[in-house]
Amino acid sequence: GDSVTQMEGPVTLSEEAFLTINCTYTATGYPSLFWYVQYPGEGLQLLLKATKADDKGSNKGFEATYRKETTSFHLEKGSVQVSDSAVYFCALTKADRGSTLGRLYFGRGTQLTVWP
Amino acid sequence: EAGVAQSPRYKIIEKRQSVAFWCNPISGHATLYWYQQILGQGPKLLIQFQNNGVVDDSQLPKDRFSAERLKGVDSTLKIQPAKLEDSAVYLCASSLHPTSGSMGEQYFGPGTRLTVT
Repeated sequence: GDSVTQMEGPVTLSEEAFLTINCTYTATGYPSLFWYVQYPGEGLQLLLKATKADDKGSNKGFEATYRKETTSFHLEKGSVQVSDSAVYFCALTKADRGSTLGRLYFGRGTQLTVWP
Repeated sequence: EAGVAQSPRYKIIEKRQSVAFWCNPISGHATLYWYQQILGQGPKLLIQFQNNGVVDDSQLPKDRFSAERLKGVDSTLKIQPAKLEDSAVYLCASSLHPTSGSMGEQYFGPGTRLTVT
């Protein structure tokens, strides 16, 4: 079935370090891919998305490219800040006919802690 | 614009008791979702409504869980009787309409943290 696999956490970085959080997916058809972020005490927020192969989603300095050949959607940021400390979730949904529109399949989440 | 509201934020009950959660989606959002997030895991869809009709409840444990969305707006999720393994955060989300939901954004509430002892 459809699923998302994220790298194990937690990830601990110093401020201004480079961040990569790996995400791979398994899905039939043509999924859309998302990264959601959950700050402490808050609900999930959409960080970025990509709806077709080779699309690059970007927001707040974060980027992820939809790679169909490697079924991946890795999250990257060139210089992290303390305020980026949160849990990051990779997710997919299906857009092809016959799927349940809007259902999100989430990875387990990766806890990121950034130290000053 | 007000976000998705949920209550209560926290609930502690004993096993075999019942509990109910409430969700008020963003005004005008036709699609409403309930997710269960067990500690250390990603959210898992329990049920999806389109207006006041159920689109997908295939992952809802129907022997103990029930949900309704009267008048296509607010929704309640109930557990009766609760088990220890129901301890989780219950998230409500809404989206504007099903097409946007598949490729656009679901807006999440802060969740209700349930502890079953």
